[in-house]
Order: sequence, then structure tokens, then C-alpha cells
Amino acid sequence: AQSVSQHNHHVILSEAASLELGCNYSYGGTVNLFWYVQYPGQHLQLLLKYFSGDPLVKGIKGFEAEFIKSKFSFNLRKPSVQWSDTAEYFCAVKSAQGAQKLVFGQGTRLTINP
Amino acid sequence: DTAVSQTPKYLVTQMGNDKSIKCEQNLGHDTMYWYKQDSKKFLKIMFSYNNKELIINETVPNRFSPKSPDKAHLNLHINSLELGDSAVYFCASSQDRGGETDTQYFGPGTRLTVL
Repeated sequence: AQSVSQHNHHVILSEAASLELGCNYSYGGTVNLFWYVQYPGQHLQLLLKYFSGDPLVKGIKGFEAEFIKSKFSFNLRKPSVQWSDTAEYFCAVKSAQGAQKLVFGQGTRLTINP
Repeated sequence: DTAVSQTPKYLVTQMGNDKSIKCEQNLGHDTMYWYKQDSKKFLKIMFSYNNKELIINETVPNRFSPKSPDKAHLNLHINSLELGDSAVYFCASSQDRGGETDTQYFGPGTRLTVL
């Protein structure tokens, strides 16, 4: 069965600090990978996704993620965070074969101090 | 323009009641989903419909019954509500024509509180 592990439960940073959130997945086949963000009281928004091609993908709001197949990882990065990045971040994986469920990690709460 | 919408946004009810949550998408997508987010923010798939046909049915109590009158709508009916049903329920949709069309887009969520 697929599973996703996000190593950091709660990350606290100051503005302008660099960010890296870890995500590892367990699945034997070809996968599609996603990062979603949930701002306080809001719904899930897609930050970025990986389907194929360049393993370094860029998303909205200056976020990027790198797919390292050998490590089953899809870590999220941002060089300089802002207070408005305070949110819950979810890594998710699905089988690349058609309409499949998303399997989510447990989420990482990011708090940015001004 | 609201891509995936859900009603109601908040639902407070007593144990034992029956309630429904509605979801509509105007993206022309073929597949719709229901996810449950528990109090620890963990998200888990419940159901998925493709063109009104049930394709994913996770281990969910029989008290939960999804209904898809057409491919733009997926409603969730819950019978005999229990305290443990309190959660945020998210609807999502995807086009599912292969490749990046498989990306799922989420609605605003319905926060269900069972007293």
C-alpha cells in the first residue's frame, strides 16, 4: 500500500529564512507527486506537482520541489519565506495509472515569525 | 468563479441525525472525490466517482452513502451521525484524461460537528 511520510510536524522559522520540508513516499510503481497548502481556515490549494520530465518543479509563490526517485523523496523548498507562508503543508502521492486516490502525508505546520 | 463548491460550509447537528453535504464542480471534470480530514489534519480518501460510477470505496461505514446524480455533482449522505464523524469533509475533482489532467482540485470543505 502507498504511504507518505512528512518528517517535520511543526516548523517555526523567521521571515527570510530558507525552508525545506521533507516528504518520502512508499510505492513500487510510477507515481505522481503533489504539494498542497492549507492556509488557516481555508481549503487545500495546489502548490506544485510532478508528473514527468524535469525532476525540479516550480510552483506558485516561489516554491519548488525536487523529485529524487532513488530516495523516494519529494522535498519542498523556498529560499526566503514570508509571514504569509504560515500554513499547513501536505505532500501527496497517487499512482500514475488513471483516476486514483491521493494518499496524503500527515502534514507539516509551518509558522513564520515576523 | 467557484470551481469546486460545497454546501454547507458549517454543519452542527446532534448524534443520531441524518445529514447531507453537497458538492458541485463547474470544471467539466469526469471524476469527483470525498476526503475526510480529522482533528489532527490527516486527510483520507473516502469515495470516488467517475462519470457517475463508483470507482473508489475505502473502508467507510455503511452509514456514509455517496450519490452522483450527474458528473458535476457528488453528494454525501450520512445516516445516524456519531461523535467520531466530526471532521472537515473535502470534495475534489479531476479531469482524468491522463497526465496532468489527473490533478485534483479541492472544494472549501464542510466542517461537520456532531454533538
